[in-house]
Amino acid sequence: GQQLNQSPQSMFIQEGEDVSMNCTSSSIFNTWLWYKQDPGEGPVLLIALYKAGELTSNGRLTAQFGITRKDSFLNISASIPSDVGIYFCAGRGGGSNYKLTFGKGTLLTVNP
Amino acid sequence: EADIYQTPRYLVIGTGKKITLECSQTMGHDKMYWYQQDPGMELHLIHYSYGVNSTEKGDLSSESTVSRIRTEHFPLTLESARPSHTSQYLCASSAPKANTEAFFGQGTRLTVV
Repeated sequence: GQQLNQSPQSMFIQEGEDVSMNCTSSSIFNTWLWYKQDPGEGPVLLIALYKAGELTSNGRLTAQFGITRKDSFLNISASIPSDVGIYFCAGRGGGSNYKLTFGKGTLLTVNP
Repeated sequence: EADIYQTPRYLVIGTGKKITLECSQTMGHDKMYWYQQDPGMELHLIHYSYGVNSTEKGDLSSESTVSRIRTEHFPLTLESARPSHTSQYLCASSAPKANTEAFFGQGTRLTVV
């Protein structure tokens, strides 16, 4: 099956710093998604990408759909303590298959 | 704001018991999903449904079963719980329109002792 490699596994940063994380796949995806999950909660969608090369922002978050369609990155600028959580990438293939494949997540810790 | 609800939020139960995890959404979404997530790990799809009376197995084999008798309701059942079933179970739903993504419930953290 399809697999996603998400890195880094964890990050410890100071408040105000910028953060970057990425996902790579062995196969092509038509959709890339980035979710954030707080402890004890379900994932919340941050950014959705539907076109190769697409660069989309949501406040301090920016994500890009790689040209090869096999990768995506998420940047967080000027991190704040509430950015703490686990960030997951997810990809979806083509056709009528709506199933998502998730990365293993990046645990972000922000020190105030 | 997503309107998808899971109950219970937490459940501790003994081995051999039958359990049903509830999931309901009020958005009229036709697609619904169940994911299993171990602590600190990725989400694995265990069941999905594209509408009433439609259920399919996901990518991760699971001993649980699901039913979809009503659009808004997608319960998951374990006939005989075992410690290996201990995990977080997340329900999600999405609309039929293309490029509309899934909303997740808050999850049920199941512990089988």
